[in-house]
Formats: sequence, structure tokens, C-alpha cells
Amino acid sequence: GNSVTQMEGPVTLSEEAFLTINCTYTATGYPSLFWYVQYPGEGLQLLLKATKADDKGSNKGFEATYRKETTSFHLEKGSVQVSDSAVYFCALRESGGSYIPTFGRGTSLIVHP
Amino acid sequence: SQTIHQWPATLVQPVGSPLSLECTVEGTSNPNLYWYRQAAGRGLQLLFYSVGIGQISSEVPQNLSASRPQDRQFILSSKKLLLSDSGFYLCAWSVVAGGPNTGELFFGEGSRLTVL
Repeated sequence: GNSVTQMEGPVTLSEEAFLTINCTYTATGYPSLFWYVQYPGEGLQLLLKATKADDKGSNKGFEATYRKETTSFHLEKGSVQVSDSAVYFCALRESGGSYIPTFGRGTSLIVHP
Repeated sequence: SQTIHQWPATLVQPVGSPLSLECTVEGTSNPNLYWYRQAAGRGLQLLFYSVGIGQISSEVPQNLSASRPQDRQFILSSKKLLLSDSGFYLCAWSVVAGGPNTGELFFGEGSRLTVL
């Protein structure tokens, strides 16, 4: 079956530090990959996505590249802000297959001023 | 544009009382619909999903149930709440297939349930 593994949190950084949140996946087919963000007390919202190998998703200064050879989709940002403090979820969904996406357990990011 | 509404946002219920959470989607038709629960550990647990009116699939056996009486309406219910039902409940929808948003889930704002 499919699975998504994220690094354990919380990740604690100072403002303007570089961020990496690791995500690796296992899938039987050719999935689309997603990063969602959840701010405190809110639902999840899509941050970025990539639908095929070597695609790079980007949004709000965050980037992630679909690496088929390493089955990874690591999230990066060059300079984090306090407002980036949230929980980040990596997810995959098989194309043309299951209606059910597979989510990682989430990684909490705390950014201090 | 599409929107998703979920209510109530917060509720506190005694053990043994009934529950009804409602979710409606606007601006799309025949969406896939989902109910997730997020406990204190923050991971997402899929409870139910639906691919059409009256079609409900349960992922986790429990004292909760779901119904889809209309195309864009999804209801989560319980006849008797347990302490363990406390959590943050999220409704979500996705397009069935095709288009630029295939695969993406759109989430509601969530309903925080505390069972005392």
C-alpha cells in the first residue's frame, strides 16, 4: 500500500533561518504529491503540489521537488517568518486510482522572532 | 468559485448525547466528500468518504456514522458520544477526476468537539 513518512517534529527555528522538512513516500503507481499547511485552529490548505517526476511546486517562498529516484518531496524555504509557524502535512494521491489520499503524520514548525 | 462550509465550529457535549456535524460545498457538483478526525497528536484519521449521494464508505469502525442526503451535503452523526470522540473534525471535498485540481483536497475550517 501507499505510505508517506515525514520527519518528526517539532522543528524549532529562528526567524530568517533555512527550513527543510523531509518527506518520503511509497506508492505503487505514479502519484501526485502535495504539501498542506494547517495554521492553529484552522483546517488544512494546499501549500503546493507536483504531479510528475522532476516537477517543482512553489508557493509563498516554499518549494518542493518531486524526486522519483529517491521517492522524496522535501519542503524547503530559504528564510522563515514567525507567521510560518504551523503544522505541515505531506500527502500523495494516486492518479486515476483511489479516491483516498495518503497523508503523513504532520510536522509542527515553530519559528521564534 | 468553490467554497466549503462546516458547522458548528465549536461544541461541548456530554457523554451519551447525540452529535450532528454538517458540511456543505458550493460551486461544484458531484464532489468526493470526506470526514477526517484530528486528535491531540495532530495526525489525520479518515473516518468516512463518499463518491455520491447515499454512497458512504467507512474507514474506521466506531460509534460514528455519516450520511450524504444531497450531492453537496455531508453529515457526521453519533447517537451516543464517547469521551474518545473528542477531537477536531474536518470535512473536505475533491473533484472526481480531470482538470488542474485533480487530487487536491479542499478542507473546511473544522469543528472542535469536546465530550465531557
